[in-house]
Amino acid sequence: QLQLQESGPGLVKPSETLLLNCSLSGYSISSGYYWAWIRQSPGKGLEWIGSVYHNGNAFYNPSLKSRVSISVDMSTNQYSLKVTSVTAADTAIYYCAKDVDFPGSWLDPWGQGALVTVSS
Amino acid sequence: DIQMTQSPSSLSASLGDRVTITCRASQNIGFYLNWYQQRPGRAPKLLIYAPSTLQSGVPSRFRGSGSGTQFTLTISGLQPEDSATYFCQQSYSRPSTFGGGTKVEIK
Repeated sequence: QLQLQESGPGLVKPSETLLLNCSLSGYSISSGYYWAWIRQSPGKGLEWIGSVYHNGNAFYNPSLKSRVSISVDMSTNQYSLKVTSVTAADTAIYYCAKDVDFPGSWLDPWGQGALVTVSS
Repeated sequence: DIQMTQSPSSLSASLGDRVTITCRASQNIGFYLNWYQQRPGRAPKLLIYAPSTLQSGVPSRFRGSGSGTQFTLTISGLQPEDSATYFCQQSYSRPSTFGGGTKVEIK
């Protein structure tokens, strides 16, 4: 049974880079599917950040595209999210989830989420 | 981006009631609409996809319907464990977008 688990620092300083990992268990990331990052903040609700295919092909939300990258590490069965030049607006709970190709995708299952606070 | 509008933003109902939540898309999204349930302090959980197929393990009192720009999530026979916030999501085009959520409370 596939399970996902986010990990990373809970506190990031403004203008610095946020880096989160999502570890998979029960499924090999190299076997397929897209792998997504979503965030949830009180002010903006749920926001799809982007998805990456196991071959590294990635799609990003245009609202974040210039600051975001998502990558896959098959050797550790993980994928990662990097957000540069963070501000308080990036404070949110960050979730990873399995995605399905567009159109007609859905997100399932989700990790438990990682709270990231941007503050000096 | 496609805008998803949910209504109502919150509702209160009694055990056993039938509850209806509406999600409207700013343009035609065909059948590419999903519903998620989020209990307090937990991650969202997929309930229904495309837009009427129940995810495995989801009770049959949940039903999704609709197409084009208007979709509905119905809970028939509200149970205590249904107290949660429900979100719709369009997967017709990237970026995928979510509705603002409907909080369901039990009276």
